[in-house]
Amino acid sequence: DSGVTQTPKHLITATGQRVTLRCSPRSGDLSVYWYQQSLDQGLQFLIQYYNGEERAKGNILERFSAQQFPDLHSELNLSSLELGDSALYFCASSPWTGGAYETQYFGPGTRLLVL
Amino acid sequence: AQTVTQSQPEMSVQEAETVTLSCTYDTSESDYYLFWYKQPPSRQMILVIRQEAYKQQNATENRFSVNFQKAAKSFSLKISDSQLGDAAMYFCAYRYNAGNMLTFGGGTRLMVKP
Repeated sequence: DSGVTQTPKHLITATGQRVTLRCSPRSGDLSVYWYQQSLDQGLQFLIQYYNGEERAKGNILERFSAQQFPDLHSELNLSSLELGDSALYFCASSPWTGGAYETQYFGPGTRLLVL
Repeated sequence: AQTVTQSQPEMSVQEAETVTLSCTYDTSESDYYLFWYKQPPSRQMILVIRQEAYKQQNATENRFSVNFQKAAKSFSLKISDSQLGDAAMYFCAYRYNAGNMLTFGGGTRLMVKP
């Protein structure tokens, strides 16, 4: 158990819908990262937050957005869902250590199926 | 942009034997971190081992060790005394020291034969 929690574990929805994925980082970790794992794209970095502020953006679609709340949990919002958005979405967290981000620990993932 | 390549889509090893998984990467940076993550059928991403580029000594964690060749930009994972529980997808990942994101390779599926 990495200490990172994600809910829900599974999500089945229809095209055009909107869903919210939730992540709670390890105790003490200020950084949260979101990754997408799909069959055709592999593991891709989406976005990173540090202590409530967006720090880095990767291959995140405009239909997707995220935020980190004062209690440090994060939510990834996916809207106007398409079949191709079906994937495993991971959240990871890391602490802040001496100016360099440390190792990222992953949550169990949320498996999204868009029908 | 940094890229990570795992040239072996699948590998198999006999239980109790040793296997080496390959990884190469491309970067213009001199300071960075490299990782191996394991993804068993449960799909959980589990950190196996980590290497700092500024350290010449190869990292070791129990039965897992790496062969880090900085000049060749190579970072292989050796699993000794393979066990059935080692069967999983293994991902090599790169992180620039001052950066944030992990860049992953395509993965190697390891099968362990009893």
